[in-house]
Formats: sequence, structure tokens, C-alpha cells
Amino acid sequence: DAKTTQPPSMDCAEGRAANLPCNHSTISGNEYVYWYRQIHSQGPQYIIHGLKNNETNEMASLIITEDRKSSTLILPHATLRDTAVYYCIAAAGGTSYGKLTFGQGTILTVHP
Amino acid sequence: NAGVTQTPKFQVLKTGQSMTLQCAQDMNHNSMYWYRQDPGMGLRLIYYSASEGTTDKGEVPNGYNVSRLNKREFSLRLESAAPSQTSVYFCASSELGRGNTEAFFGQGTRLTVV
Repeated sequence: DAKTTQPPSMDCAEGRAANLPCNHSTISGNEYVYWYRQIHSQGPQYIIHGLKNNETNEMASLIITEDRKSSTLILPHATLRDTAVYYCIAAAGGTSYGKLTFGQGTILTVHP
Repeated sequence: NAGVTQTPKFQVLKTGQSMTLQCAQDMNHNSMYWYRQDPGMGLRLIYYSASEGTTDKGEVPNGYNVSRLNKREFSLRLESAAPSQTSVYFCASSELGRGNTEAFFGQGTRLTVV
């Protein structure tokens, strides 16, 4: 699985968009980009994933660059409950088995 | 629908004792995982099982053994616990290799080895 690099911490004001970057310059063609978050030592929670195209769901949007070497997770209107550690993971999908390897993640702090 | 259930939630062991952490999922997933998370650190993969009957080492397998008992259950055994194994252990399941769907995590087992 490709290695991912994230900033160790970020701040965001409540109600504003939180944009969390992730570099995955060695990602291979069959690897998806997954985002998870972990709130206060609970089990990680899935947010979103994508391969090439931008994706949006009820929680967030995922923007993947055309060369697929980086991506950005966007929380459009951050709330205090979005304070968590956010993990970006590159893992194989499709017909290939892909294990999830977590890095250090980004600690996002949303403040009033 | 319980998802991923881990037992026990808390455990204190003495150095040298053995124990088995249990994990069960009711989502008919093929893939299951065991992770550990030390304070202030990310999750590290201990072992994983791509499908029933197969297991493979992750990043930090030393001191652990696993058993994929059936499709639902994946247990983690500490044969001789050491203080360095004090951690929070998470089990997860997914169909990551098919359909590219999400992984589901249990709530964790908080293990202290004294």
C-alpha cells in the first residue's frame, strides 16, 4: 500500500470549511484513497473514499488531483463534534486484497 | 445489527499471563483485522485475515497469534503478556477487496499489563 503524508495538526473555526490535505505520491493505479476519523479513542469511523473522481456524501467531499498524487478532504461546515484525528489511507480495491494501513493522521481541532 | 463486537472491553493482566481477545462481526465480511493503538499514536496493524482460513502478519505481529475461527470470528491471543503490550486493541472487518466498501471497527479492548 502506498504511503500517505498528512500534516500533524490543523485548526478550523466552527461553521467554516475544514480542508485536510493528504499526499500519496506513490499511489498505484488500483489503490483507492480512504478517509477515516477517530473521535476520542473510539474505533475509527469511515468518512469517504475515491479512486479518480471527486466524491461527495453526507459527511464530506473528497477532491483527488488529476495525477492522483494528492487529495483533500473537505468538511463543508465544521462543528465542534468534528474535532478528531483524521486518517488518509491508500489501499487496493477491486479484485485485489487491500489491507488498511494507518499513519499518524491529522489532529483537527474545531474551535468556537 | 451489532456490527463488530469485541470482548472484553477492559482487561488487566500480570506479566506472563495469557489471554485471548475475541472479535465477531455479523456483516458477512470476508476480511478481518487486528490493530493496536498506543497513547498518542496511530493504529498499527498486528494481523489480518483476507478470508476464512487465511491469516497474514501486519506491521507488529511479534508476541501475538491469531485464529480465524470461522467467517464471523477472529481472535487475538497473547501467549505471555508483557508491559509493552499495554495498548488499546481494535478489531475491524470489511470487504475491502471487493466493492471497495468501508471497514467497520469495534469499540476497542483496553489492555493493561502490569
